[in-house]
Amino acid sequence: DQQVKQNSPSLSVQEGRISILNCDYTNSMFDYFLWYKKYPAEGPTFLISISSIKDKNEDGRFTVFLNKSAKHLSLHIVPSQPGDSAVYFCAVSTSGTYKYIFGTGTRLKVLA
Amino acid sequence: GAGVSQTPSNKVTEKGKYVELRCDPISGHTALYWYRQSLGQGPEFLIYFQGTGAADDSGLPNDRFFAVRPEGSVSTLKIQRTERGDSAVYLCASSLIGGGETQYFGPGTRLLVL
Repeated sequence: DQQVKQNSPSLSVQEGRISILNCDYTNSMFDYFLWYKKYPAEGPTFLISISSIKDKNEDGRFTVFLNKSAKHLSLHIVPSQPGDSAVYFCAVSTSGTYKYIFGTGTRLKVLA
Repeated sequence: GAGVSQTPSNKVTEKGKYVELRCDPISGHTALYWYRQSLGQGPEFLIYFQGTGAADDSGLPNDRFFAVRPEGSVSTLKIQRTERGDSAVYLCASSLIGGGETQYFGPGTRLLVL
């Protein structure tokens, strides 16, 4: 009964190309969505977020897309760089609450 | 500025022992959260503090787990009678107010129960 799913455990992309990471959620009450990046032996680092009133949010090379009808969000990284190699977690929340629910993560490897 | 810090970074203990894990949040952050991350999983919520009080401890797995934040800053997660299944990375996060804004995570404490 996972509420947040990241169905791809790993992804390899060539440097300079686009990386697309996907996340699906089950509960339409979620209205705040985030992506975190995690390097080994470090805590998750906040990357980008989006609220349900928007369908796109961009920050430099990172863009998050939200499709509320499909209960799906994705993270696009363009162009991908070797330093982007990490595990990426999506997290969801309901506004006014504080509890994040995380997916299981996708390990991205950017090949030089 | 300083981020969230956690000590120790690693803790090895024997089954049945008591452990304490410490979290020092970002200065000025009133909200503090504990999560647990098991191998191959994402972080799972344990407990949330607003100031000194535990506003929600619904994620604590059982009564062997307890957390305090007596002065509204540093928090300690306490685990009694540790079991092998408690082995995980324990993550602490803080946010400015609580209630939806971004949570910033510390590096975690890796607990191994032998």
